[in-house]
Amino acid sequence: EAGVAQSPRYKIIEKRQSVAFWCNPISGHATLYWYQQILGQGPKLLIQFQNNGVVDDSQLPKDRFSAERLKGVDSTLKIQPAKLEDSAVYLCASSLAGGTDQYFGPGTRLTVT
Amino acid sequence: GEDVEQSLFLSVREGDSSVINCTYTDSSSTYLYWYKQEPGAGLQLLTYIFSNMDMKQDQRLTVLLNKKDKHLSLRIADTQTGDSAIYFCAESPPPGSSNTGKLIFGQGTTLQVKP
Repeated sequence: EAGVAQSPRYKIIEKRQSVAFWCNPISGHATLYWYQQILGQGPKLLIQFQNNGVVDDSQLPKDRFSAERLKGVDSTLKIQPAKLEDSAVYLCASSLAGGTDQYFGPGTRLTVT
Repeated sequence: GEDVEQSLFLSVREGDSSVINCTYTDSSSTYLYWYKQEPGAGLQLLTYIFSNMDMKQDQRLTVLLNKKDKHLSLRIADTQTGDSAIYFCAESPPPGSSNTGKLIFGQGTTLQVKP
C-alpha cells in the first residue's frame, strides 16, 4: 500500500514570496491533516479536512495560509506571503474517517530567507 | 488546556532498556500515542494505548499508562542503534469533541543509542 506522498521535499524561498505544498493521502482515507513542525518542537495541527470539508482550522494563520482539498483527495497548502518564522517542516497525514491512526508523509522542509 | 510534556534527551547503551516518559494534562483524552521520527523523515506510528488500559505490549515495546498521574511511558527492550531517533508522545481528544482527530504532540525525546 502506498503511503502519504508529499512534494516538494525541500523548498527555499525569500520572505514575502509565496509557496505551495502538495499532498496525496493514502487511498480511501477521508481525513487529511496538515501539521507544522518547527525545529525542536512537536508537530502542531494547522488544518483538518474530512473529505473536502474543513473540520478544524483554528490554528491556521488565515491572513497568509490557505489550504484546499477540492475533490476530497489531494490537498494543497499555500503560504502567501511567507515570513521568516514560517521556516519549518510541513507534514501531511491521513486517516480513515473516524480512524484512530494517522499516517504521515515525509514532509516538506521550508526555509524562508 | 491541552499540554504534553517530555524530557528532551535520553542516552543508553546498545542492549539496555530505554524508558521514555511523557505527561499530559487532558484527562478526557481517549488515545495516547507514540511516534518515531528518524532524521529527514515523517512520523512513524509505533503504538498507541486506549485510555482505559494500563499497559500494552508489542514485541520490544511496552507502553504503561498511569491515568491518575497522567503519565505515559514507552519502554524499548534490548535497544538497538537503529532505535536512535526522536520519539513523540501525543494525545487525542475523545470522539464527539470539537477537536476529534486532532493530535497534541509533546516536543519529542531524542534517544541516542551508543554501541
